[in-house]
Amino acid sequence: NAGVTQTPKFQVLKTGQSMTLQCAQDMNHEYMSWYRQDPGMGLRLIHYSVGAGITDQGEVPNGYNVSRSTTEDFPLRLLSAAPSQTSVYFCASSYNPHTEAFFGQGTRLTVV
Amino acid sequence: KQEVTQIPAALSVPEGENLVLNCSFTDSAIYNLQWFRQDPGKGLTSLLLIQSSQREQTSGRLNASLDKSSGRSTLYIAASQPGDSATYLCAAPDSSYKLIFGSGTRLLVRP
Repeated sequence: NAGVTQTPKFQVLKTGQSMTLQCAQDMNHEYMSWYRQDPGMGLRLIHYSVGAGITDQGEVPNGYNVSRSTTEDFPLRLLSAAPSQTSVYFCASSYNPHTEAFFGQGTRLTVV
Repeated sequence: KQEVTQIPAALSVPEGENLVLNCSFTDSAIYNLQWFRQDPGKGLTSLLLIQSSQREQTSGRLNASLDKSSGRSTLYIAASQPGDSATYLCAAPDSSYKLIFGSGTRLLVRP
């Protein structure tokens, strides 16, 4: 049972480039979310989804897009990378908001 | 608005000591509270989930309690070991069920 899988683990982008961070879970969880973790700021919610075809904004959504075409996958797109988006990104999933949340191992992104 | 606070930010104890980590939340109308462990450079590992109807939850040497009326949860670690060294985070949902995290307590258990 793989759980929550994030790819890539590390990425360096130049300012203005775009990329997609992948997240997949094999637990048939409806609820998926993306967080960024920065020193001194803790974990902040970027976007979340309560099921296929349904997404909503979190605390810090600007500069990021998401879509949820399947239950398993929840990719995060950076449209035009900025140095302020240098961070560690975590994907999480749970059966519903009231159940245990499981996290991926993270993607460390550096924008130069 | 749900706010989650963890004090202290860092804690250093000798091996074998029993210790308590604290988590406070402002909105007591929560469905659950979850404790996580994060090792350096790694993701978050779920330790315990306490539902609002529960007072305690135990897993091995870990015991988490929840007091909704006072807006507090504690994570008790018995007989601490160097392998327990990590950052411990608590998270509570807000009124829209989004998880709100504390900033964590960085624990060092000295051999």
